[in-house]
Amino acid sequence: EAEVAQSPRYKITEKSQAVAFWCDPISGHATLYWYRQILGQGPELLVQFQDESVVDDSQLPKDRFSAERLKGVDSTLKIQPAELGDSAMYLCASSPGTGAYGYTFGSGTRLTVV
Amino acid sequence: QKEVEQDPGPLSVPEGAIVSLNCTYSNSAFQYFMWYRQYSRKGPELLMYTYSSGNKEDGRFTAQVDKSSKYISLFIRDSQPSDSATYLCAMTTDSWGKLQFGAGTQVVVTP
Repeated sequence: EAEVAQSPRYKITEKSQAVAFWCDPISGHATLYWYRQILGQGPELLVQFQDESVVDDSQLPKDRFSAERLKGVDSTLKIQPAELGDSAMYLCASSPGTGAYGYTFGSGTRLTVV
Repeated sequence: QKEVEQDPGPLSVPEGAIVSLNCTYSNSAFQYFMWYRQYSRKGPELLMYTYSSGNKEDGRFTAQVDKSSKYISLFIRDSQPSDSATYLCAMTTDSWGKLQFGAGTQVVVTP
């Protein structure tokens, strides 16, 4: 069964350092999403890509977060500098089209900022 | 106030019992409703997907949507210990796919 690959699975970083997460969506999926899930809460959308274009980054803290999806395939989410409040699970998801059906989530990257 | 409200639990039931989960929402524009299951340290996996109001059944799972009351439910029949997980409701207004999630309800099914 096709999966959304994410790495690393776990990351511990000191505050003020830079950190990056990588996501490889299911082959052929045009839409890619990054969500943040704080412990005990539901995921919240950070950024949505359609191919290589950003279609929604309204909830992305752009002073410290950046995301790119070069060539419309895999994607990188970066935080610089990391803050204690950034500790969370970062989930990547992909879907074949623009619809909500068919979302597949990866296993996520658990970030701890100390 | 959050757009989607969900009781975080935990909800503990004996094996074989019916699990009843629900969410309420405030945005009447939501059209697509989903339930996800999330095991510890894993990403959410889609269980049920419903468009607009009505019921949908898939094996032991039944999803209900009542748009007039802004209320959705998920029922799990003949619950198993393997059903122990966090269940997240999610919904969206349009075909672009941005999902609004509830906080998730932790379910524990005891043998």
